[in-house]
Amino acid sequence: AQSVAQPEDQVNVAEGNPLTVKCTYSVSGNPYLFWYVQYPNRGLQFLLKYITGDNLVKGSYGFEAEFNKSQTSFHLKKPSALVSDSALYFCAVPTRGGSQGNLIFGKGTKLSVKP
Amino acid sequence: EADIYQTPRYLVIGTGKKITLECSQTMGHDKMYWYQQDPGMELHLIHYSYGVNSTEKGDLSSESTVSRIRTEHFPLTLESARPSHTSQYLCASSEYSVVQPQHFGDGTRLSIL
Repeated sequence: AQSVAQPEDQVNVAEGNPLTVKCTYSVSGNPYLFWYVQYPNRGLQFLLKYITGDNLVKGSYGFEAEFNKSQTSFHLKKPSALVSDSALYFCAVPTRGGSQGNLIFGKGTKLSVKP
Repeated sequence: EADIYQTPRYLVIGTGKKITLECSQTMGHDKMYWYQQDPGMELHLIHYSYGVNSTEKGDLSSESTVSRIRTEHFPLTLESARPSHTSQYLCASSEYSVVQPQHFGDGTRLSIL
């Protein structure tokens, strides 16, 4: 069965420092992986996805993610964090089989960026 | 910006009332979804639809019902609201493809007194 795990409930970073939000996956077949962000009182916004090709995927708001097949990871990164990056981040993977195309989300990681 | 709209954004209502949460999208997406999310917590899929006249139950059992009479509209109904229904409800839509992202509305925060 498809699954993702986000091992950290919260990540704290100082403004200007690099940030990493971790995600590991377990899938059958080719891995398709997504990152979403949720700002307070808003819905989720799509950040980036990995389908195939280059292991470094660039997305919105200066975020990127590194796909690592040997470590089954898809960590979200940003070279220099902003206070406005403070939000809830979700990693996701599509289901297979009968409900194909639905997404399985991780439990979310709260990112807090302090000035 | 995603073209998916949810109304109302906030609703406080008494126990026993019938509630309909509205969701509309202008992107022509075939698939639509309803998620339940307690604030700051994980998402739970409660309903989804592959297209007109298609509705399926999600992973989390819910007393709510949905309908899909038009492609763009996917309302969620609670026949008799209870305090346990207090939560945030998020609607989303996507193309029918595993590689296309879902687009989310800003949610309805429901509080049942």
